[in-house]
Amino acid sequence: AAGVIQSPRHLIKEKRETATLKCYPIPRHDTVYWYQQGPGQDPQFLISFYEKMQSDKGSIPDRFSAQQFSDYHSELNMSSLELGDSALYFCASSLSPLSNQPQHFGDGTRLSIL
Amino acid sequence: KQEVTQIPAALSVPEGENLVLNCSFTDSAIYNLQWFRQDPGKGLTSLLLIQSSQREQTSGRLNASLDKSSGRSTLYIAASQPGDSATYLCAVTQGGSEKLVFGKGTKLTVNP
Repeated sequence: AAGVIQSPRHLIKEKRETATLKCYPIPRHDTVYWYQQGPGQDPQFLISFYEKMQSDKGSIPDRFSAQQFSDYHSELNMSSLELGDSALYFCASSLSPLSNQPQHFGDGTRLSIL
Repeated sequence: KQEVTQIPAALSVPEGENLVLNCSFTDSAIYNLQWFRQDPGKGLTSLLLIQSSQREQTSGRLNASLDKSSGRSTLYIAASQPGDSATYLCAVTQGGSEKLVFGKGTKLTVNP
């Protein structure tokens, strides 16, 4: 079965640079979620989109922005990168929010800031 | 603010043993609870989802129960195998929000 696809798998950046992470949800899934998992930490919710509109927002820094496109893929844009942004970034997708459907996660993008 | 706690933080068992992982949450007004496994450096694999109106869900050797009023869930793994070695996370959603709030996980090691 098709899964959530994230690219790139690994990304190395320097401080103050920008990064773009991409997420392709499972076909027919219209809701996308972004989570950040720091080393040894549990995943923290950043933001979610339903039908291309922001549906919920968590602890996402103002330096980050995201959007969902007409084909339902999503991109997380990160600017002025800091050392503390080094983490595993997960995208998840589901069939409609608040529908009691499970969120399915991708393998993540490991972002390292030098 | 919802807080999710998982006990124990780590567990080591011999192959074939039945085991229980525990998850507790402070706010019982949840929408659903989801159990995941995570292998090192990998993504989260969804194992089971229990709706707030349900008491348990089963998938193969896995059985998850939910006691919403007491703020507890358990994941029962029968006849454990070395391939079950991973970190198991539970997460809840609150009414009106689809964001998952995670516990810190239980790292399970099943020894051959």
